[in-house]
Amino acid sequence: GQQLNQSPQSMFIQEGEDVSMNCTSSSIFNTWLWYKQDPGEGPVLLIALYKAGELTSNGRLTAQFGITRKDSFLNISASIPSDVGIYFCAGRTSYGKLTFGQGTILTVHP
Amino acid sequence: DTEVTQTPKHLVMGMTNKKSLKCEQHMGHRAMYWYKQKAKKPPELMFVYSYEKLSINESVPSRFSPECPNSSLLNLHLHALQPEDSALYLCASSQGGGQRNTEAFFGQGTRLTVV
Repeated sequence: GQQLNQSPQSMFIQEGEDVSMNCTSSSIFNTWLWYKQDPGEGPVLLIALYKAGELTSNGRLTAQFGITRKDSFLNISASIPSDVGIYFCAGRTSYGKLTFGQGTILTVHP
Repeated sequence: DTEVTQTPKHLVMGMTNKKSLKCEQHMGHRAMYWYKQKAKKPPELMFVYSYEKLSINESVPSRFSPECPNSSLLNLHLHALQPEDSALYLCASSQGGGQRNTEAFFGQGTRLTVV
């Protein structure tokens, strides 16, 4: 089946630093989605990407859909304490199923 | 409105109990999903409903029984669960209908504990 390799697994950073995480796959996806999940809550959609090469920003967040359609990255600039959480990438094929990465646990020290 | 509402938020049930989880969305989405999530793991797909019909069952045990009464509602009936079924159960919805460019929105989840 399809698998997404998300890295890094965890990050410990100082407030104000920039963060970068990525997902790669051996399969092609039509859509890449990035979610953030706080403890005990459902994943919240951060950015959706629909076209190869697309670069999209949402405030301090920037994400790109890789040209090969097999990868995506998410950058967070000038991190703040409330950025703490687990970040998941998810790829969607034409059949509609979402495949999730294993998640990146982000810890921000004030 | 991009809200998916799940009830209850927390549920504790015994292994002989029967309970139901409920999910509601009013975005006009035609695809609805149930996911199971263990701590610090990604959500695992259980069921997909498309236009109120079950389209995907990811080999889920029969003690989990989904139901889609109408396009806005999705239920998950639980019976004779095991302690290992304790998890966060997430409902999601998306436009569906074969649309390629669709986002999936998640509810807050139901934290289920089986004792």
